[in-house]
Amino acid sequence: QVHLVESGGGVVQPGGSQRLSCAASGFSFNNYAMHWVRQAPGKGLEWVAVIRSDGDKKYYGDSVKGRFTISRDNSKNTLYLQMNSLRPEDTAMYYCAKDLAKLGIAAGLDNWGQGILVTVSS
Amino acid sequence: SFDLTQPPLVSVSPGQTASITCSGDRLGSKYACWYQQKPGQSPVLVVYQDNRRPSGIPERFSGSNSGNTATLTISGTQPMDEADYYCQAWDSSTTNWVFGGGTKLTVL
Repeated sequence: QVHLVESGGGVVQPGGSQRLSCAASGFSFNNYAMHWVRQAPGKGLEWVAVIRSDGDKKYYGDSVKGRFTISRDNSKNTLYLQMNSLRPEDTAMYYCAKDLAKLGIAAGLDNWGQGILVTVSS
Repeated sequence: SFDLTQPPLVSVSPGQTASITCSGDRLGSKYACWYQQKPGQSPVLVVYQDNRRPSGIPERFSGSNSGNTATLTISGTQPMDEADYYCQAWDSSTTNWVFGGGTKLTVL
């Protein structure tokens, strides 16, 4: 049974930083690409970033490029999202999600965490 | 940039067939997938690589993708299928995954 649990959310001031974590269990973490996807309140899904199974390739959505960094620790079965220079429009529920394959492109996201809320406000 | 367009709302009567479209430039040359999201819940993958179903997804969910349009079809729609549905595709030119804006399916 795949299990993904996000943590690290909360309220942060504009311009501040926050690091999200996603603890994975129930599958061979080092064999799958992993994603972050967010959803602003009452809005649709927005893809944030993906990291390949070996951590060597990372891709980012245009709205977060240069501010957010995705990483993983395969020894700890954990995915991370370092968020810097946060803006009010980054306020959203952040989901970590497992890809169907190693590369993280052209397959799909077959398991999702419950999400963690990040609020950017003064 | 690569965009995916979905109708905001689709309505269907119970037992009938619902079709939700997703349009994008040369979408048929990419793989499309579909997610179902019910209120207060995380998304669930219902179709991937255009027409493949993950284990546990009912056979009434199917997909197709050709030209500029991908379609999610729900045959014999049930009240439990009422949800928001999102299409998604990988755009290799921008190295971005893109979501459609979502379609609210009402079953009434």
